[in-house]
Amino acid sequence: EPEVTQTPSHQVTQMGQEVILRCVPISNHLYFYWYRQILGQKVEFLVSFYNNEISEKSEIFDDQFSVERPDGSNFTLKIRSTKLEDSAMYFCASSPGADTGELFFGEGSRLTVL
Amino acid sequence: KQEVTQIPAALSVPEGENLVLNCSFTDSAIYNLQWFRQDPGKGLTSLLLIQSSQREQTSGRLNASLDKSSGRSTLYIAASQPGDSATYLCAAPRYNNNDMRFGAGTRLTVKP
Repeated sequence: EPEVTQTPSHQVTQMGQEVILRCVPISNHLYFYWYRQILGQKVEFLVSFYNNEISEKSEIFDDQFSVERPDGSNFTLKIRSTKLEDSAMYFCASSPGADTGELFFGEGSRLTVL
Repeated sequence: KQEVTQIPAALSVPEGENLVLNCSFTDSAIYNLQWFRQDPGKGLTSLLLIQSSQREQTSGRLNASLDKSSGRSTLYIAASQPGDSATYLCAAPRYNNNDMRFGAGTRLTVKP
């Protein structure tokens, strides 16, 4: 069964360092998303991406965040200068459609900022 | 702004019991509502997706209902098993919007 894959599963970094989280969405899906979940808190929307551009972003997704689809398969989230409060589980998701499509999530990348 | 609330926050039941998890949302103009399962430290597994035009969806022992007018959805689990132990999340988008809003989840424990 097709699935969303994410790497790395866990990354530890120092505050101020740049981090890139990678995702391979399901191949025929058109919409891609990043969500995050701080330990013990709700899953929060960060950004959605369609047709090679951001379609929506939350207030969390500020200038230190960026997304890219560098080729036909990968979808990346970059955090330019990590802060302690960026420590969270980051989930990538993809969907065949925006309004009626089901979201499929990856296993997540746990980011720990020291 | 869409707010999603799930009740109860935690539930512990003996094996074999039927149970209902509740989800409420504030903005009834939604395209769909989705139920997920999350095991500790893991990703989100999609269980059921209900389109706004539907009233319920079934998959095996799971049945999800949707009442847009009252802003409620329920997830019914029949004949619960210890393997059902997990956190169950519901999520609804804001209308015309990709931003899925999640509830805090219900942590279910099914005791053998």
